[in-house]
Amino acid sequence: AQTVTQSQPEMSVQEAETVTLSCTYDTSENNYYLFWYKQPPSRQMILVIRQEAYKQQNATENRFSVNFQKAAKSFSLKISDSQLGDTAMYFCAFCTLPGTYKYIFGTGTRLKVLA
Amino acid sequence: KAGVTQTPRYLIKTRGQQVTLSCSPISGHRSVSWYQQTPGQGLQFLFEYFSETQRNKGNFPGRFSGRQFSNSRSEMNVSTLELGDSALYLCASSSGPGEETQYFGPGTRLLVL
Repeated sequence: AQTVTQSQPEMSVQEAETVTLSCTYDTSENNYYLFWYKQPPSRQMILVIRQEAYKQQNATENRFSVNFQKAAKSFSLKISDSQLGDTAMYFCAFCTLPGTYKYIFGTGTRLKVLA
Repeated sequence: KAGVTQTPRYLIKTRGQQVTLSCSPISGHRSVSWYQQTPGQGLQFLFEYFSETQRNKGNFPGRFSGRQFSNSRSEMNVSTLELGDSALYLCASSSGPGEETQYFGPGTRLLVL
């Protein structure tokens, strides 16, 4: 069975500091996508970053970057220069290729950025 | 482009009733997926439609059903509501094969009393 595990239910970070959220997954597939989504309180889920498994280079989007370790099946999210607006639930998700949109989600990490 | 829209945003029903939720995908997107989000079970995949055909289905009872129209709009229906069906129902759309990123709507919050 394919699973996604986020072992940190809650985290906090001081504004302007860096924080890393962990995600591990389990699959026997070789081709897949990994995603981090952000769900602010009472607001809709938005895509933070995505990583194609066949790409060795780690994805980066402004202050957000990932550390993708395919052999270890690890996909962590690093947020640099944390801002108050980064306060949200962060979900790690996974889908296999080709052409399926059945995402497997982790249980989420609640991140609070402190002023 | 307008994002994914879902209606209604909030709904209160009683046990035994049925409910229909609607989702309009981003213009040009042909795939629509539905998820149930609860505090206890997290985000769980319900089903996915592409070009009016159900391509994937999650592990939910037959009381949960859906359909997709020729304009890619989708509806999901839950019959004989149970208290445990109280949840945030999220719809997500994607352009189709080759683009695996999904874009989520704001959700419909369903409360079953």
